[in-house]
Amino acid sequence: TQLLEQSPQFLSIQEGENLTVYCNSSSVFSSLQWYRQEPGEGPVLLVTVVTGGEVKKLKRLTFQFGDARKDSSLHITAAQPGDTGLYLCAGNFGNEKLTFGTGTRLTIIP
Amino acid sequence: DAGITQSPRHKVTETGTPVTLRCHQTENHRYMYWYRQDPGHGLRLIHYSYGVKDTDKGEVSDGYSVSRSKTEDFLLTLESATSSQTSVYFCAIQMEFYSPLHFGNGTRLTVT
Repeated sequence: TQLLEQSPQFLSIQEGENLTVYCNSSSVFSSLQWYRQEPGEGPVLLVTVVTGGEVKKLKRLTFQFGDARKDSSLHITAAQPGDTGLYLCAGNFGNEKLTFGTGTRLTIIP
Repeated sequence: DAGITQSPRHKVTETGTPVTLRCHQTENHRYMYWYRQDPGHGLRLIHYSYGVKDTDKGEVSDGYSVSRSKTEDFLLTLESATSSQTSVYFCAIQMEFYSPLHFGNGTRLTVT
C-alpha cells in the first residue's frame, strides 16, 4: 500500500489569514484528488490534478501538483469559517485504487 | 448530491453479533467501495466491487464480507462484530476507474 503523508495534521487560524496544507508521497501519482469533509458527512471532491506542475483555482483555493507528481499543496487565501473541515488528498498510483492520506483538520476561528 | 444512501446511519451492537450495512445508489455507477474511517488512519479500503457479483478485497478486509447482487446495492457484513470494528463506515461510488468518488454520509457503528 502506498503512503500519503499530509501536513499539518491540525491547523487552527484566524479568519482572514492565509494557509497552505501539503500532501506528499515517495511514489509518483498517476492523478491526485483533494476532498473536503464536514462533520457527519462524507468527503466531497474539490479538484483533480493530473499533469505535473498543474495549478487549479477554485475561488479562494489554489491547488498545485508538483513537477515530479509526488506532492501537492492546497493554499487558501483569506480563510473563512466555511472553510473549516477535514481536507483529504487521495492519489492513484499506476493502476491501483485510490489511496487516501490521513487528512488535515482545519479550523477557522471567526 | 450523487444518489447514494447508506443505512442505517447509526448502529450499536454487541460483540459477536452479525451486522450488515447497506449502500444503495441510483446513479448506475460501475464501481462501489466500502471504507472505514478512524482517527489517525484516514480512509481505509475494506472491499470494493467493479460490477454485479464482482468484488475484491481492500487493505483491511479481515472480518468483513461483501455482496453485490444488483448494480444499485452493495452490502457490507461483519460476520461476528468485534470492538476493533467500531468505526465510521463510508460507501462510495465511481463511474469509471479514474473518476472522482462520490461518498454517502456514513454509518457510525459501535460494537460494545
